[in-house]
Amino acid sequence: QLQLQESGPGLVKPSETLSLTCTVSGGSTSSSGYYWGWIRQPPGKGLEWIGSIYYSGTTYYNPSLKSRVTISVDTSKNQFSLKLSSVTAADTAVYYCARRVEVAGGGAPIDYWGQGTLVTVSS
Amino acid sequence: EIVLTQSPGTLSLSPGERATLSCRASQSVSSTYLAWYQQKSGQAFRLLIYGASSRATGIPDRFSGSGSGTDFTLTISRLEPEDFAVYYCQQYGSSPLTFGGGTKVEIK
Repeated sequence: QLQLQESGPGLVKPSETLSLTCTVSGGSTSSSGYYWGWIRQPPGKGLEWIGSIYYSGTTYYNPSLKSRVTISVDTSKNQFSLKLSSVTAADTAVYYCARRVEVAGGGAPIDYWGQGTLVTVSS
Repeated sequence: EIVLTQSPGTLSLSPGERATLSCRASQSVSSTYLAWYQQKSGQAFRLLIYGASSRATGIPDRFSGSGSGTDFTLTISRLEPEDFAVYYCQQYGSSPLTFGGGTKVEIK
């Protein structure tokens, strides 16, 4: 059973860079057919897809965040990471890491999610 | 970007009843690349349906999905106590991936 666990600071100052890591257990970040990514949910608001990285290293970002986001994979540690720069209070949210799987018939739904971690942006 | 609108916001039903949840897209969803997820408090999201109508591994057959184009439905044929939760639809056919606002299924 795949498990994803987010880790990182729960409090980040405005204008700084938010950094989170997702540790994967029960599976490999180098396996073909998977995307590793991040989704967030501000308090009381909806879910927002941040971006994904394909097992090959190709990245896909939400255009609304693209200029501030970097997603990377460290296959040696079986982890992937999110960096979001120049944060403001609007970036306060629960951040989820997730895996997308290519399925027969096409497309790649999210088949596993982490439990989520709350990151607050405040001075 | 494709906007997904879920209705109703809250559904109040009793165990054993049928639940019908709607997800409407602002434009056609490519190749029925639509998924449904269940979220319970304190638990990870669970994939229920993908490709609009395919059940994910281990999902009971009381959950079914249907629809195409811009209108999709998740049906729970007979609600079990563990089915009371929040349900989200998501499209993964166009970038950016987007989610609906959720439907809460609560005990009446």
